[in-house]
Amino acid sequence: DADVTQTPRNRITKTGKRIMLECSQTKGHDRMYWYRQDPGLGLRLIYYSFDVKDINKGEISDGYSVSRQAQAKFSLSLESAIPNQTALYFCATSDPGTSGTLADTQYFGPGTRLTVL
Amino acid sequence: AQTVTQSQPEMSVQEAETVTLSCTYDTSESDYYLFWYKQPPSRQMILVIRQEAYKQQNATENRFSVNFQKAAKSFSLKISDSQLGDAAMYFCAYRSARSGGGADGLTFGKGTHLIIQP
Repeated sequence: DADVTQTPRNRITKTGKRIMLECSQTKGHDRMYWYRQDPGLGLRLIYYSFDVKDINKGEISDGYSVSRQAQAKFSLSLESAIPNQTALYFCATSDPGTSGTLADTQYFGPGTRLTVL
Repeated sequence: AQTVTQSQPEMSVQEAETVTLSCTYDTSESDYYLFWYKQPPSRQMILVIRQEAYKQQNATENRFSVNFQKAAKSFSLKISDSQLGDAAMYFCAYRSARSGGGADGLTFGKGTHLIIQP
């Protein structure tokens, strides 16, 4: 089973609709992230959370909100979707750790392709 | 703010040959991490290799190795004995070793599309 799952995998919605993308993880990591990928570009950070009570804005948070319901769940919401939010959305997790070659490495979910018409 | 530049939008290599993908970055920090991620057509982001800036030794993972030049702020990926399954987009990414103030996410380059010719 995948360690980081995202639902839905694909979604088509209309301008003005509210939509929620969900992310769950079984890696036991405290840190979770939401990124957006546009064609021809790398990923850009939207929001991140270090624990249930800690939410931080990333580079491109305008038009988005998040909710950290539990250590394992981190949701991204578009309150009123617009066409330029059409993109591929990734959730990621990491564990700062104290040692080891993989400490603080981010692991990604499979992505959600969102189309806003 | 840190920036990551991948100057090769597309590279092509014959199967079994060696290819090097370039990455440069700009930062004023001395402690950070660098990563290469692979994104095949399935769109999954897969970690290829990771380098800590404080380590002088270049990281290696099987057929994948890096050439980390800290002073030049260069972090290239070498793929030896290229295989058809290596065909993908490759992204270079930077992460500060400090926490807070927006430093916690990854900063990505725009990617290099690697084509493997059979």
